[in-house]
Amino acid sequence: EADIYQTPRYLVIGTGKKITLECSQTMGHDKMYWYQQDPGMELHLIHYSYGVNSTEKGDLSSESTVSRIRTEHFPLTLESARPSHTSQYLCASSFPQSITGELFFGEGSRLTVL
Amino acid sequence: SQKIEQNSEALNIQEGKTATLTCNYTNYSPAYLQWYRQDPGRGPVFLLLIRENEKEKRKERLKVTFDTTLKQSLFHITASQPADSATYLCALDPTGTASKLTFGTGTRLQVTL
Repeated sequence: EADIYQTPRYLVIGTGKKITLECSQTMGHDKMYWYQQDPGMELHLIHYSYGVNSTEKGDLSSESTVSRIRTEHFPLTLESARPSHTSQYLCASSFPQSITGELFFGEGSRLTVL
Repeated sequence: SQKIEQNSEALNIQEGKTATLTCNYTNYSPAYLQWYRQDPGRGPVFLLLIRENEKEKRKERLKVTFDTTLKQSLFHITASQPADSATYLCALDPTGTASKLTFGTGTRLQVTL
C-alpha cells in the first residue's frame, strides 16, 4: 500500500468559495504531482514539484495553485471555485531515481462546485 | 500532436480466458511505457513498466509487450478472474524519469463467471 493521503475525499461547495485539497506522503519522495481526471477521461497533469520550493505547471492549464514548503506536503488551492472546476483531483509522488519510475497515487479528491 | 489511443469500449471476457488490451500512440517516442489499474473512484495503481529497448515484460499473470516500430503496447492478463475487472491505463514517459507521464483514457475490463 502506498503511503500517500488526500483529504477531503469528497467536497461539495458553492461557487466563489476558496478550497484547499490536501496531499501528504510519508515515503520521503521528492517528486509530487497533481492530476485532474473527469469521468471516463484520461488523467491530465496540472502541477508538479521536484522538491521543496519547486513547483511547475503541467500540460493542462489550471486556475489552481500549489505550494511545496515541506517535502511531505503538496496542497492544491482554488481561490474562487467555479462549476467548471468540478472534477476528480489525484495527487501522486515518485522516487527521484526510481528504477521502475512508477507513480504512487492517493485515493483522490472528488470536487463538486454548485 | 501527441496522441494515445486505448479501446474506449469495454472488454468483456469469461473467467479463465486471456484478456488482451491495446495501447497505440502517435507522434511520440516514449522511453518507457507503464500500465496502471484503476478501480472506480480510486487512484491508479502501478502494474508494470517496459523500456523502449525491451520487447516483453512479465509479472505473475501479467505480460506487456512493446513494439516501437508499430507504436503499440499490448497488455495481457492470463487466467483472468472477476477480481481483474477494472480500468487499465497505459502511460507514456518520454524521458524515462516519470516526471511528465501522459495517460491514455483507459480500457474497462469486465471478467464474468
